[in-house]
Amino acid sequence: DSGVTQTPKHLITATGQRVTLRCSPRSGDLSVYWYQQSLDQGLQFLIQYYNGEERAKGNILERFSAQQFPDLHSELNLSSLELGDSALYFCASSVGVPTSGYNEQFFGPGTRLTVL
Amino acid sequence: AQSVAQPEDQVNVAEGNPLTVKCTYSVSGNPYLFWYVQYPNRGLQFLLKYITGDNLVKGSYGFEAEFNKSQTSFHLKKPSALVSDSALYFCAVRPLRGGATNKLIFGTGTLLAVQP
Repeated sequence: DSGVTQTPKHLITATGQRVTLRCSPRSGDLSVYWYQQSLDQGLQFLIQYYNGEERAKGNILERFSAQQFPDLHSELNLSSLELGDSALYFCASSVGVPTSGYNEQFFGPGTRLTVL
Repeated sequence: AQSVAQPEDQVNVAEGNPLTVKCTYSVSGNPYLFWYVQYPNRGLQFLLKYITGDNLVKGSYGFEAEFNKSQTSFHLKKPSALVSDSALYFCAVRPLRGGATNKLIFGTGTLLAVQP
């Protein structure tokens, strides 16, 4: 158990809908990262937050957004869903400031999103 | 472009034999390097990392990895494979010129299958 929790574990929805994925980082970790894992794209970095502020964006679509709240949990919002958004979405957390890249990231169990 | 390559989609090895999972990278400067393992329906688990110093790093579950700067490689090794090592292994790199982010660039993953 990494200490990172994600809810829900599974999510099945229809095209055009909007969903929210939730992540609670390990106790004490200030950085939260979101990744998407799919068969065709592999594991792709989406976005990073540090202590409530967005710090980096990766291959995140404009239909997707995220935020980190004062209690450090984070939410990833996916809207106008398409079939191709079906994937496993991981949250990870790490200790330390964003520039201290030597800290390993701890991953949650993921949320499997299926868009029908 | 910064990238990580895992040239083998699958590695098959008999239990008790040594194993090697290959990883090469292409990034600017000297990166931080990581190995993660993913078991079915689970999140990624951190195995080991190279930051600086000794080129041979030891990690969890008896795994080790050798950093080779001239060959830009970071191969994962284990002297004696176990059936329970069967999983998907990811190599990841954090470029030191990544700026204010700990974004990880992942390889495509290598499926390790250990036969009894």
